Amino acid sequence: DAGVTQSPTHLIKTRGQQVTLRCSPKSGHDTVSWYQQALGQGPQFIFQYYEEEERQRGNFPDRFSGHQFPNYSSELNVNALLLGDSALYLCASSFIEAVNSPLHFGNGTRLTVT
Amino acid sequence: GDSVTQMEGPVTLSEEAFLTINCTYTATGYPSLFWYVQYPGEGLQLLLKATKADDKGSNKGFEATYRKETTSFHLEKGSVQVSDSAVYFCALRRGNQAGTALIFGKGTTLSVSS
Repeated sequence: DAGVTQSPTHLIKTRGQQVTLRCSPKSGHDTVSWYQQALGQGPQFIFQYYEEEERQRGNFPDRFSGHQFPNYSSELNVNALLLGDSALYLCASSFIEAVNSPLHFGNGTRLTVT
Repeated sequence: GDSVTQMEGPVTLSEEAFLTINCTYTATGYPSLFWYVQYPGEGLQLLLKATKADDKGSNKGFEATYRKETTSFHLEKGSVQVSDSAVYFCALRRGNQAGTALIFGKGTTLSVSS
């Protein structure tokens, strides 16, 4: 049973470019959340997707957008990249009706903006 | 707003030493509390959790007790091993739905030498 998988594992982009990161949730999960983890910091919540809609959003600008597909997989898009967007981006999945259950995290995509 | 404060690291210990990593939180109501661990190059793994006051979470020799009166959730282990070297994150979640946003502390790096 595959856990949460993310691609690519590493990515280097130039300031001003756009990037798309991908996530496949753990089997049986229907909800995907995205987190940004800057170097030496704890993860910060970006947004959550369920039933192909954004359900919760953290304090991130509109340059950060996402999508969820009918198979529950998800994409995170970041436009007009800034140097400060360099971070590890973590995807986490869960089952919406799971009470008191933990999130399952992927290994992340390391984004470097030069 | 809600927040989590962890003790600054790094924490450096010899094998078999006693470990304490302090965590305090600020939140209204009764959040669920978590400890996650991150090994180099990997995503976050749930270490233990507690969902109500006075609950004790435990796993792999680690323990933490949800103290409402001191708003704390300190992580302890009686005898650390080299394999425990990692970054530890304390986190809180309001509500019991698995996908609800987690709020993380900045993390504490633990280094155990033989």
